[in-house]
Amino acid sequence: GQSLEQPSEVTAVEGAIVQINCTYQTSGFYGLSWYQQHDGGAPTFLSYNGLDGLEETGRFSSFLSRSDSYGYLLLQELQMKDSASYFCAVTTSGAAGNKLTFGGGTRVLVKP
Amino acid sequence: EAGVAQSPRYKIIEKRQSVAFWCNPISGHATLYWYQQILGQGPKLLIQFQNNGVVDDSQLPKDRFSAERLKGVDSTLKIQPAKLEDSAVYLCASREGRGQRLNQPQHFGDGTRLSIL
Repeated sequence: GQSLEQPSEVTAVEGAIVQINCTYQTSGFYGLSWYQQHDGGAPTFLSYNGLDGLEETGRFSSFLSRSDSYGYLLLQELQMKDSASYFCAVTTSGAAGNKLTFGGGTRVLVKP
Repeated sequence: EAGVAQSPRYKIIEKRQSVAFWCNPISGHATLYWYQQILGQGPKLLIQFQNNGVVDDSQLPKDRFSAERLKGVDSTLKIQPAKLEDSAVYLCASREGRGQRLNQPQHFGDGTRLSIL
């Protein structure tokens, strides 16, 4: 089966930088995605890493090391609106097609 | 582009009753997913459809849960009878699903929050 580990909670102040680490164990790994979810809202896609390296999208960057089964999401210039839960998710492929398995989520609290 | 629509937004029932949720995916999206998200946890896949066929239902408790996607568009998820541990948010997601573009994101609806008394 698949397992993903990420910290349960992170607290930081506005303007700071936060790194959310994600380690995974899985078979049939294709890539690592990150989703953001505000309380009571829908998960929304942030980024996808299929190859090793860094992907940058505005204030958010995501990194993947396939050899280390490790990735991270970097949130820069934190804003109050970034307070949310962040989920890493592995894409695997098998007989049943492509599948997304989510980690338990990291709750980020941004303080003024 | 309209997003994934789900209804109802909230539902409260007593244990052993039945309940149904409805999902309308983004137009043209071939792949549809139902997830269960228990408070404080990540979404857990229940069932995946490709058009109107089931691709993966390995984590669906088939003794009480059922889902269908007639005509390959809308989908319904039913629980009968409900148990206390079914209290969760039920999320529907869709994905274009054509080709092998693995970086295609899933688009989620706001979910149905189910409370079992």
